[in-house]
Amino acid sequence: QVVLTQSPSASASLGASVTLTCTLSSRHTTFAIAWYQQQPQKGPRYLMKLNNDGSHSKGDGIPDRFSGSSSGAERYLTISSLQSEDEADYYCQTWVTGYWVFGGGTRLTVL
Amino acid sequence: QVQLVESGGGVVRPGGSLRLSCVASGFVFSDYGVHWVRQAPGKGLEWVACVHFDRDEDYYAESVKGRFTISRDNSKDMFYLQMDRVITEDTAVYYCVYGDYVESWGQGTLVTVSS
Repeated sequence: QVVLTQSPSASASLGASVTLTCTLSSRHTTFAIAWYQQQPQKGPRYLMKLNNDGSHSKGDGIPDRFSGSSSGAERYLTISSLQSEDEADYYCQTWVTGYWVFGGGTRLTVL
Repeated sequence: QVQLVESGGGVVRPGGSLRLSCVASGFVFSDYGVHWVRQAPGKGLEWVACVHFDRDEDYYAESVKGRFTISRDNSKDMFYLQMDRVITEDTAVYYCVYGDYVESWGQGTLVTVSS
């Protein structure tokens, strides 16, 4: 069974950068994932699909401030030049024949 | 453009039943697996169920296995979630989605299980 692990919370200052991490279970380190953002009281929003090799394809209208990278079992979402509207929950998700898995989400606070 | 629209949510008593529907447009529906994903109040996203493009295989989260049934009608570009023997923990916004990941989320439909 695939497991995705995310830290429950993160914080960074306005204008700074932050990197969120999604860790795949040890037997599934080659899997691609998707990142989603959910601002308070809104539905989820697709950010990007992130492959094992670090290549990624972003959703329409996602700013260049959002980027993705990979290393082993780790999948990263980096947000630069943090803005107040980046304060949100961030989820990773992967897919296997027969089911999907979501990480528990990281709540990002912009200080 | 791609659009999936959920309907059928509402208030249901514990132990009762509800059927959610989803109509899809903007892509070749019969080429893709389709899924239901839910989000309970104040909680994270949870995958619920999927059915493959040819309707031969369906899969369920352990939390709903034996109580929920997913189905699809490729002639109508629609799919469904039959929710039986619901419990309070099934209270959530339910989203219908397709493919391997979700590039476009709908509004969802709210299911409230309450006596």
